[in-house]
Formats: sequence, C-alpha cells, structure tokens
Amino acid sequence: DARVTQTPRHKVTEMGQEVTMRCQPILGHNTVFWYRQTMMQGLELLAYFRNRAPLDDSGMPKDRFSAEMPDATLATLKIQPSEPRDSAVYFCASGLVGLAGGPLTYEQYFGPGTRLTVT
Amino acid sequence: TQLLEQSPQFLSIQEGENLTVYCNSSSVFSSLQWYRQEPGEGPVLLVTVVTGGEVKKLKRLTFQFGDARKDSSLHITAAQTGDTGLYLCAGVKGSARQLTFGSGTQLTVLP
Repeated sequence: DARVTQTPRHKVTEMGQEVTMRCQPILGHNTVFWYRQTMMQGLELLAYFRNRAPLDDSGMPKDRFSAEMPDATLATLKIQPSEPRDSAVYFCASGLVGLAGGPLTYEQYFGPGTRLTVT
Repeated sequence: TQLLEQSPQFLSIQEGENLTVYCNSSSVFSSLQWYRQEPGEGPVLLVTVVTGGEVKKLKRLTFQFGDARKDSSLHITAAQTGDTGLYLCAGVKGSARQLTFGSGTQLTVLP
C-alpha cells in the first residue's frame, strides 16, 4: 500500500529554533509539493519539485524557509528561525506527470502532515 | 487572496438531508478537483472534472463543472454521518499540475 510518509507527525518548539520536516514521496512519483494549512489561510502551496528540481517556491518566505530534495526518496522543509506565526499543519504530496504535464486527471497523494507549534 | 471561494464555509445537517457546496473561481483552470479531508489526515481526492458542463457521479455525490470552467458544485444526496469532513475544491494548472485550493466547507452530518 504505497503512501506518502511524513516525520515528525507533531513538533513543538520555541521561537527562534530550527525546524526540519521530512517527507518520503511515493516511489516512482516525479513531483513533490509542500503545503501549509491554517484555519485563517486554508491550504497554501509553498513549493514544489519536479524530478527533484525546484520549480517554484514563491509561496514561502524566502528569508526563513527552505525546501530541498537531496534524493528521490526524501524531501525536506526547513524553517530557521521559526516564529509563532509558522504554527500550522504542513503537508507533503507527491504525484506523477509526464513531460507534457500529464493527463488532466492527474492526482496528488497527500501525507498525514506535520503539526508544528511554535511557542 | 483566495482565487477559489467556497460556500458555505460551515454546514451542519441531519442525516438523510441533501446538500450542495459551491466553488467559484476568478480564474479558468485546466481542470478542477474535489477533495475530502478528515481530522489528522491529508486531503483525499474524490473526483476530477475537466470539461465545461461535465457532470460526474460517485454514489451519492454529484459533481458539476460550470460551462465556463470557473465554478463547480458538489451535491450530496441523503447525507450520512460518514460524509462528515472538510470538503475542498482545487484548481489544477501548470506543467507540474500544481493545485490552488479553495477555502473549504466543513460539513457535519448529525445522526
């Protein structure tokens, strides 16, 4: 049963600390997405990769957030330094698209999320 | 700024009732998807609509895509307590098929 995994599931940290969230996409998928969900803003796209190359990270604060894919089985989202307003649930999703963008019925598979609380 | 607005934001109904959730966009997307999310989990895809005017049925759920491909609706017939959850519409665009999510509708079906 292939699924996206995320660690940790919960993280409580103090303001100013570094936070690293990890995601293992479904084997064989070539796109990876990071989302943030809050009550106020809903689900927001932060960054995404295709074949491990970053395509767009305009959705996240550049000064403190960074997203990388060191290899095909691992995507990371790092916040340094963390702030209370970063408290949210962070989701990773993966999918498979072809060179031309793939079929219009393309599906993203979401992980269970990392609930981050910054005090 | 939300490109996709959903209404209502909250909906509480009795089991057996019918309901409709709306998703309206200021943009045209290549396709539109509906997801359901349960507490502590990520969203799960229910359906993708592609063609203007398209209607898709998934058991008691009926999804419709507007003719101009800027709005969509989700209709649930004879709601059950298991339908409780957060319903999200999402516009699909771009070569990576990235998603822009709507504001969400929290549905509670009471026994």
